[in-house]
Amino acid sequence: KQEVTQIPAALSVPEGENLVLNCSFTDSAIYNLQWFRQDPGKGLTSLLLIQSSQREQTSGRLNASLDKSSGRSTLYIAASQPGDSATYLCALSSNYKLTFGKGTLLTVNP
Amino acid sequence: KAGVTQTPRYLIKTRGQQVTLSCSPISGHRSVSWYQQTPGQGLQFLFEYFSETQRNKGNFPGRFSGRQFSNSRSEMNVSTLELGDSALYLCASSSLGGETDTQYFGPGTRLTVL
Repeated sequence: KQEVTQIPAALSVPEGENLVLNCSFTDSAIYNLQWFRQDPGKGLTSLLLIQSSQREQTSGRLNASLDKSSGRSTLYIAASQPGDSATYLCALSSNYKLTFGKGTLLTVNP
Repeated sequence: KAGVTQTPRYLIKTRGQQVTLSCSPISGHRSVSWYQQTPGQGLQFLFEYFSETQRNKGNFPGRFSGRQFSNSRSEMNVSTLELGDSALYLCASSSLGGETDTQYFGPGTRLTVL
C-alpha cells in the first residue's frame, strides 16, 4: 500500500526566500508524481507533473524533482511571494488513482 | 476551455438521507475520478471511471457508489448518510487517466451531514 509523507507540515517564510518542500513515498511503482496547490476551501490546482521516467520538471519559479530509487520528491519555489501562500500537496499516480500526502501549509509573509 | 464543474457546490443533509453529486469533466476528457477530503484523513480516493467503466475503487463502504454516462459526465451517490460523511468531495478529470495525464480538479461539493 502506497504511503506518502510530506515534511514539514507547515512552513512560514519571509517574502523573497527560496524554499524546498519534501515528499517521500514507499512504493516506486508509479505512473507519475504531481504537485498541487490548494487554497482554503477550494479545489486543487495542478502545478507540475513528473512522469516516472523523468527526473525533474520546471515551470516558472517552480522546480520539482523525482528520485524513485530513494522514494523522494522535492518542490523548489524560488523567490517566494505572498500569493504563494497555500497548502501544497504531492500525489503519486498508479492504477488510475492518486495517493496524496497530507500537505505542507506554506505561509509567505510580506 | 471550461474547467471541471461540480454541482451543487454546497449541500446540507441529515443522517439517513441519500445524496447525489454531479461532475462534468473538461471537454474531451474521458477519465473521471472522485476524492473525499476531510481534515483528519486528508484526500482519499473513491473511484475512477473511464468510458462508463469503473477501473478502480477505493476502500469505502458500499454506501458510496458512482457511475459515468456516455458523455463522460459522472455522478456519485451516498446512501444512508452518516455524520462522518461530512467532507469536501472533489472530482478530477483527465484525458485517459494515464502516465502522462495531468489531473484537473473541480472546485468541490461541500457536504454537511447533520
